[in-house]
Amino acid sequence: EDKVVQSPLSLVVHEGDTVTLNCSYEVTNFRSLLWYKQEKKAPTFLFMLTSSGIEKKSGRLSSILDKKELSSILNITATQTGDSAIYLCAVEALNSGYALNFGKGTSLLVTP
Amino acid sequence: GAVVSQHPSRVICKSGTSVKIECRSLDFQATTMFWYRQFPKKSLMLMATSNEGSKATYEQGVEKDKFLINHASLTLSTLTVTSAHPEDSSFYICSAEAGLGTDTQYFGPGTRLTVL
Repeated sequence: EDKVVQSPLSLVVHEGDTVTLNCSYEVTNFRSLLWYKQEKKAPTFLFMLTSSGIEKKSGRLSSILDKKELSSILNITATQTGDSAIYLCAVEALNSGYALNFGKGTSLLVTP
Repeated sequence: GAVVSQHPSRVICKSGTSVKIECRSLDFQATTMFWYRQFPKKSLMLMATSNEGSKATYEQGVEKDKFLINHASLTLSTLTVTSAHPEDSSFYICSAEAGLGTDTQYFGPGTRLTVL
């Protein structure tokens, strides 16, 4: 059974701190790993990772995939209160059909 | 815990037919369920929010007569794509919220709809 596990489940940091969120997966026929930020209802797409070792960057956020370790990390530097959200990791797999397996998310709270 | 399933995982249908997609929370009661559509650049668009026993709330631009949502019980919501057209081909994902003061959503694995 395909599985996506995120850690930690929740995190509280002070503004300016750097955080690292983890996502590990066990899926057959891996296609890509996606990161989303969910503040209200609809998750906002952040990154799609398909190749190991290539960092994707957007402002203070960056992410990298390690296919050997079956994991990915999402880094946020110089955190701001606006970064408070649930961060979701999802893994695309192509088995008998296409499936998107979501982790349970990491709830991040950045305090002033 | 907190598992959400969708059925079917993949469906191919002819243009003009209707397709029903089920979303079930397997081990918890979902007071609220959400339906999303995933677009090619991987963004998720919220289509509608459904609460058990009441009418769904649709997002702007989503045709409620085309995408019928029924949330008949605390563990089941259905999305029916009526008179499907090729442009409705997409990946539809549901999520369920347990309530109890949390905003945590648990996502289903999605349903790939292809309309020929």
